[in-house]
Amino acid sequence: DAMVIQNPRYQVTQFGKPVTLSCSQTLNHNVMYWYQQKSSQAPKLLFHYYDKDFNNEADTPDNFQSRRPNTSFCFLDIRSPGLGDAAMYLCATSRDRSRGNQPQHFGDGTRLSIL
Amino acid sequence: LAKTTQPISMDSYEGQEVNITCSHNNIATNDYITWYQQFPSQGPRFIIQGYKTKVTNEVASLFIPADRKSSTLSLPRVSLSDTAVYYCLVGEKDSSYKLIFGSGTRLLVRP
Repeated sequence: DAMVIQNPRYQVTQFGKPVTLSCSQTLNHNVMYWYQQKSSQAPKLLFHYYDKDFNNEADTPDNFQSRRPNTSFCFLDIRSPGLGDAAMYLCATSRDRSRGNQPQHFGDGTRLSIL
Repeated sequence: LAKTTQPISMDSYEGQEVNITCSHNNIATNDYITWYQQFPSQGPRFIIQGYKTKVTNEVASLFIPADRKSSTLSLPRVSLSDTAVYYCLVGEKDSSYKLIFGSGTRLLVRP
């Protein structure tokens, strides 16, 4: 009964070729997050949606975009992947976004490789 | 420069108590401190969350001093399956609010 599902688990793309990663949730949570995690590093928040309200982190490159067509789905688009974008991409949800750092439910990630 | 730091690694033996500390000297005033466990090729899993003093659940305890600039995750009687990376997550308040994971502590539990 997976609650946050990321597809695919592994994605290979070519340098400069746009790629989209997907995330779905069955928790009906208001907030969805995208993190980038490089090898042996902590996850780094890229952006999050609170309902339809998009919140970008100041240091997230413009190359990264996101879409949330409905409550259940969220997509991460990388417009022109570079070699430095190879990483695990994690999707997470939380019920709310109130100051209080609500517990997040993570998917198992998509590992992106760039050729 | 705001930083959320943890020891890089810790070793323990089965049955021992393990305490992992996170330093978060720029934590946002009203924010909780949350700890996660991560196994290889999986997403982080929520362990415990607290605001101040002590919180305990079925798997761990969390100790937070009055100044909230650090927190300690306590795992009682660890087993081999507790070998994982442990992260604290806090909201930092500098010029703006930002969610920051600690640097992570790789725990190795030996038989």
